[in-house]
Amino acid sequence: DTEVTQTPKHLVMGMTNKKSLKCEQHMGHRAMYWYKQKAKKPPELMFVYSYEKLSINESVPSRFSPECPNSSLLNLHLHALQPEDSALYLCASSQEVTEPKNIQYFGAGTRLSVL
Amino acid sequence: GEDVEQSLFLSVREGDSSVINCTYTDSSSTYLYWYKQEPGAGLQLLTYIFSNMDMKQDQRLTVLLNKKDKHLSLRIADTQTGDSAIYFCAESIKGGYNKLIFGAGTRLAVHP
Repeated sequence: DTEVTQTPKHLVMGMTNKKSLKCEQHMGHRAMYWYKQKAKKPPELMFVYSYEKLSINESVPSRFSPECPNSSLLNLHLHALQPEDSALYLCASSQEVTEPKNIQYFGAGTRLSVL
Repeated sequence: GEDVEQSLFLSVREGDSSVINCTYTDSSSTYLYWYKQEPGAGLQLLTYIFSNMDMKQDQRLTVLLNKKDKHLSLRIADTQTGDSAIYFCAESIKGGYNKLIFGAGTRLAVHP
């Protein structure tokens, strides 16, 4: 089983709203990732968690706040977003962040629209 | 530098073979990956190859790696309409954290 589950599948929010994206995996992976993907572009890395600790923040604005409550769950809290933040948000996981165990498995994504 | 390049579009007839090409620049890459993305969906890992290999075959998929030229290709035999998707090549950059560098993606269109 290489399943990464993301909820919700679709989300529409206003610029003053607060919402959260959720990601779950039960593969025993200790690394989890958030990516942002704009239309017709490859995914861009946002955050990396390793053993439930934030390892990498790719200079993401503070209106995006990640959280890793336990080894199976990863959240992305959203607040005061801008219309240009509309995108597909992908979660991924891997056994570890370093080779040879960093093959990343992706979820189906949450399509976010900011009005 | 880190850069992965792919052609943007490929059109093939159903039943023919498709070949999607990719070039990368980082010679320290140890793993290279092919992901498939169908419309509105996430990325599905298709296959990967370790850099000390030249070829890997998995059912209809064949990956060829020319490490000297930093060239990777994905061949899909007997291409079907369900293979229509965007295919991303990615390299794993070795370091304290292994970062995936994606190409821009190749859109494969399969027509009857």
